[in-house]
Amino acid sequence: AQKITQTQPGMFVQEKEAVTLDCTYDTSDQSYGLFWYKQPSSGEMIFLIYQGSYDEQNATEGRYSLNFQKARKSANLVISASQLGDSAMYFCAMRESTSNTGNQFYFGTGTSLTVIP
Amino acid sequence: EAQVTQNPRYLITVTGKKLTVTCSQNMNHEYMSWYRQDPGLGLRQIYYSMNVEVTDKGDVPEGYKVSRKEKRNFPLILESPSPNQTSLYFCASRAAGANVLTFGAGSRLTVL
Repeated sequence: AQKITQTQPGMFVQEKEAVTLDCTYDTSDQSYGLFWYKQPSSGEMIFLIYQGSYDEQNATEGRYSLNFQKARKSANLVISASQLGDSAMYFCAMRESTSNTGNQFYFGTGTSLTVIP
Repeated sequence: EAQVTQNPRYLITVTGKKLTVTCSQNMNHEYMSWYRQDPGLGLRQIYYSMNVEVTDKGDVPEGYKVSRKEKRNFPLILESPSPNQTSLYFCASRAAGANVLTFGAGSRLTVL
């Protein structure tokens, strides 16, 4: 089974609008971490936001927030007030914390976001 | 500046010609790892290392070797590259106990 599933290959959003990028994950661990990375056309991987499985509050970093629904095993990224510079590929990732897999990171297939002026 | 440096950034080679992609970090991170990125597949982990002389396989280790003789360096070795190893490769590191991975700029490899 896929550890991370991103079902939206491509998304469009109007500038200044909010957009939600979906991510579901699969783990039997109690302790794990969830991440979002941004990859602009230049190719680098930029860390956006992190959520620990025991964190009770949803993580927020500026215009980014992570909508963490543990029972549903979802970790959607919400970008508020989209900007043209938000056009990029977005990857959801997970790190499990069990002793034998805690050093592996699993990435989704990515969602390509295009912000329309 | 704290960073992960990969070289070369771009390489075109031929089947069977051994090559090494270097990775170096200046943050004294214990953990380092290699990923390959392919369209429609996202990033997949090739190998990782918890510290000097400690390496382990990720999800797609076939056709690759690594070594960790120094804390700062984690080279990726392709002993006999094949066309299916054409990909974008990323090296990443993190400190022990930290969560966030810091990535290098990526190395685009083409094997003809």
